[in-house]
Amino acid sequence: SQKIEQNSEALNIQEGKTATLTCNYTNYSPAYLQWYRQDPGRGPVFLLLIRENEKEKRKERLKVTFDTTLKQSLFHITASQPADSATYLCALRGRDDKIIFGKGTRLHILP
Amino acid sequence: EADIYQTPRYLVIGTGKKITLECSQTMGHDKMYWYQQDPGMELHLIHYSYGVNSTEKGDLSSESTVSRIRTEHFPLTLESARPSHTSQYLCASSGGGGPYNEQFFGPGTRLTVL
Repeated sequence: SQKIEQNSEALNIQEGKTATLTCNYTNYSPAYLQWYRQDPGRGPVFLLLIRENEKEKRKERLKVTFDTTLKQSLFHITASQPADSATYLCALRGRDDKIIFGKGTRLHILP
Repeated sequence: EADIYQTPRYLVIGTGKKITLECSQTMGHDKMYWYQQDPGMELHLIHYSYGVNSTEKGDLSSESTVSRIRTEHFPLTLESARPSHTSQYLCASSGGGGPYNEQFFGPGTRLTVL
């Protein structure tokens, strides 16, 4: 069955450093991969999308890479700030338009 | 302002009651979705709709039902609530024609069945 794996443990990063989150998947060939941010008690908010034929995407302090051979995406936040503390969800969308979400990684940026 | 709304935000109810969770969006999206999420766990798709009078069951089996009579409205109904239905329910929509085809989520309804 399709499976998405994200860092199961919380990630603690010092303010100003780069945070790197990992998303691995199996038994799936996504058309594209999305990253969302979710704050406690709120719905997820879309951040970035990367397509299967793209290697890297950037948006301000965010960078996403996508390696379809390794079946892995890396999500980077540079110059991290305490306000970046949240849970980050990886989501795969197939050609049938359905999305499957990972459990997410909780990120804590320490001041 | 274009947005997606869910009511109520919190609901505590007794076993056996019928409940309806409301979801409305003002973005004109064709596609709408209901997810169930337990604390620390992934979102599970329980229902989706690709337009008026179209509804499909998602990957996670659910005793709830949905309807899509109007584009902007996608309510979820539980005929007889049970403690196993306690969870967070998130509504989402997509399809605005933008380049990312991302899903826009509502704030969620936290349901507790006693």
